[in-house]
Amino acid sequence: KNEVEQSPQNLTAQEGEFITINCSYSVGISALHWLQQHPGGGIVSLFMLSSGKKKHGRLIATINIQEKHSSLHITASHPRDSAVYICAVRSISYNTDKLIFGTGTRLQVFP
Amino acid sequence: DAGITQSPRHKVTETGTPVTLRCHQTENHRYMYWYRQDPGHGLRLIHYSYGVKDTDKGEVSDGYSVSRSKTEDFLLTLESATSSQTSVYFCATGGHNQETQYFGPGTRLLVL
Repeated sequence: KNEVEQSPQNLTAQEGEFITINCSYSVGISALHWLQQHPGGGIVSLFMLSSGKKKHGRLIATINIQEKHSSLHITASHPRDSAVYICAVRSISYNTDKLIFGTGTRLQVFP
Repeated sequence: DAGITQSPRHKVTETGTPVTLRCHQTENHRYMYWYRQDPGHGLRLIHYSYGVKDTDKGEVSDGYSVSRSKTEDFLLTLESATSSQTSVYFCATGGHNQETQYFGPGTRLLVL
């Protein structure tokens, strides 16, 4: 079983819909990252969080440390949001700065 | 965005040949990482560096070596490429403690 699981694996939506992507993990962590990978392949960091909630524009990320779960929400989705969204955790069981990555959620938003 | 470049961006090579991928950063980040990305897998760490001449293995290090002779450059070498090393390779920097990791544009490697 992967230490970081994302759901769903694939997601399609109509423009304007509210989207939720989930990430569950099985290890103790010091931080959780949400990343975005566009069809061209480039990867950018969206959020890093260790508790509570963060918001940037139409993106909201939440984390529940007790339940070992995080969600990424996109409000008023747009076709330009189409990308692969990747969850990654920094495990406290490692003694160095390494991330464990989920396999990603592929989002397609249609006009 | 951190100034991270990778070269080459695309490479086709034959089994058994040596291959070196280069990652160059202009942000003076201490930490640098090499990952590979394959369908059905998350990004997997090959090797990482926590300073000049300081490197360590990741989870999929077999068949790969690295070198970091100066802060800005981190080289990944496939001593004798195999078809199983066909992949997209990403370099990243930063990541110390609570910091964000910044990713390069990736190198697409095909081993025939």
